[in-house]
Amino acid sequence: GESVGLHLPTLSVQEGDNSIINCAYSNSASDYFIWYKQESGKGPQFIIDIRSNMDKRQGQRVTVLLNKTVKHLSLQIAATQPGDSAVYFCAENKVDKLIFGTGTRLQVFP
Amino acid sequence: EAGVTQFPSHSVIEKGQTVTLRCDPISGHDNLYWYRRVMGKEIKFLLHFVKESKQDESGMPNNRFLAERTGGTYSTLKVQPAELEDSGVYFCASSPRMGSTDTQYFGPGTRLTVL
Repeated sequence: GESVGLHLPTLSVQEGDNSIINCAYSNSASDYFIWYKQESGKGPQFIIDIRSNMDKRQGQRVTVLLNKTVKHLSLQIAATQPGDSAVYFCAENKVDKLIFGTGTRLQVFP
Repeated sequence: EAGVTQFPSHSVIEKGQTVTLRCDPISGHDNLYWYRRVMGKEIKFLLHFVKESKQDESGMPNNRFLAERTGGTYSTLKVQPAELEDSGVYFCASSPRMGSTDTQYFGPGTRLTVL
């Protein structure tokens, strides 16, 4: 079956450093991915997306990289701030559903 | 513009009881989805409505779960009778256009605890 997963359950970074959160997927036909951020007590919030015709996309302080050869994507957060503390999910976006990975909890310490 | 809202935010019930969760999607959104996250695991798809019709309910765990979307507006998810393993956070999401991969906007979730 298809799956989307994350490498690490927890990532701890110092405020101001860059964070890299990784995700792997199994279906080589997957063509649309989204990163979501979930803060405590809230629902997942869209951060950035990328389609398979791209290998990099940048937003404000965030960059998503897609490596189709090894079926891997990553989320890079520049100058990590305390407000970035949350659980981050990668998800494959299909027409009728999202398939989520297990999530990485990002902890930012001063 | 109001986001996706869910009610209640928390529900604590005993095994065997019935609970009904409600979701109000963003106004005008054709697609409405239910997901749940149990015990710190991944968020899993339950079902998808396009307007009032069930498009895909392949993620529904069993027949104790019943979802409706009367009139294509708000949706309810009823669990009857609830079991211990139903505990988790139930999320609702909506997106604008049917047949597309528009961004899904999530509500805050309902935390269900079955004792």
